Amino acid sequence: AQRVTQPEKLLSVFKGAPVELKCNYSYSGSPELFWYVQYSRQRLQLLLRHISRESIKGFTADLNKGETSFHLKKPFAQEEDSAMYYCAPSWGKLQFGAGTQVVVTP
Amino acid sequence: EADIYQTPRYLVIGTGKKITLECSQTMGHDKMYWYQQDPGMELHLIHYSYGVNSTEKGDLSSESTVSRIRTEHFPLTLESARPSHTSQYLCASTEEWGHRAFFGQGTRLTVV
Repeated sequence: AQRVTQPEKLLSVFKGAPVELKCNYSYSGSPELFWYVQYSRQRLQLLLRHISRESIKGFTADLNKGETSFHLKKPFAQEEDSAMYYCAPSWGKLQFGAGTQVVVTP
Repeated sequence: EADIYQTPRYLVIGTGKKITLECSQTMGHDKMYWYQQDPGMELHLIHYSYGVNSTEKGDLSSESTVSRIRTEHFPLTLESARPSHTSQYLCASTEEWGHRAFFGQGTRLTVV
C-alpha cells in the first residue's frame, strides 16, 4: 500500500536556525511530490513541488529516490515560517502525511 | 476570479439534522476531493471524484455522501449529524491526477 510518513509531529526551532522536515514515502513507482503549508487562519496552499525544482520562501526539497524521501529544508528559519507543513506524494488521488507543526521562536 | 469556494465557513447544528456542505470551483477541474481534518491534525481523504457522475470513497470511512452532477459543484451531505461528525471539512480540486491542488477555506462543523 502507498504510505507517506512525516515522523515529526512538532518541530520547535529558534529564528535563524536551520529547519528540516522529514518525509518518507513507500511506493514502487515515481509519484509527483509536493509540500503544502497551512498558516494560521489561512487555507492550505502549495509550498513547492519537486518537478519545478524551485525554492519558495527559502525552502527547498530534496528528492532521494533510493531512500524514497522528500525532505523539506530551510537554512535560516523565520518567525513567519511557523505553520503546519504537509508532505503530499501524489499517486493519482491526493494523499497527505500526518503533518509537521513548525514553531519558530525569536 | 478562478477559485474554490466552500460554504458555510462555520456551522453549528443539532444532532439528527441533515446538512449539506457546499463546494464549488470555477477552474474547470475534473478531480475534486473532500478531506476531514481536526485542528492541526492529519488530513483524511473521505471522498473524491473523477468527474461528472463519478464519485469514490476515500481512505477514511465516512457516513457522509457526495454527488457530482456538475463539474464545478461537489456537495457533501450528512443525512443525520452526530457529535462524532464535529470536525473541519476541506474541499480541494486538481486539474489532473498528480497536479497541484487548490483548497477551499474549509467548513468547521460542530454538532451539538
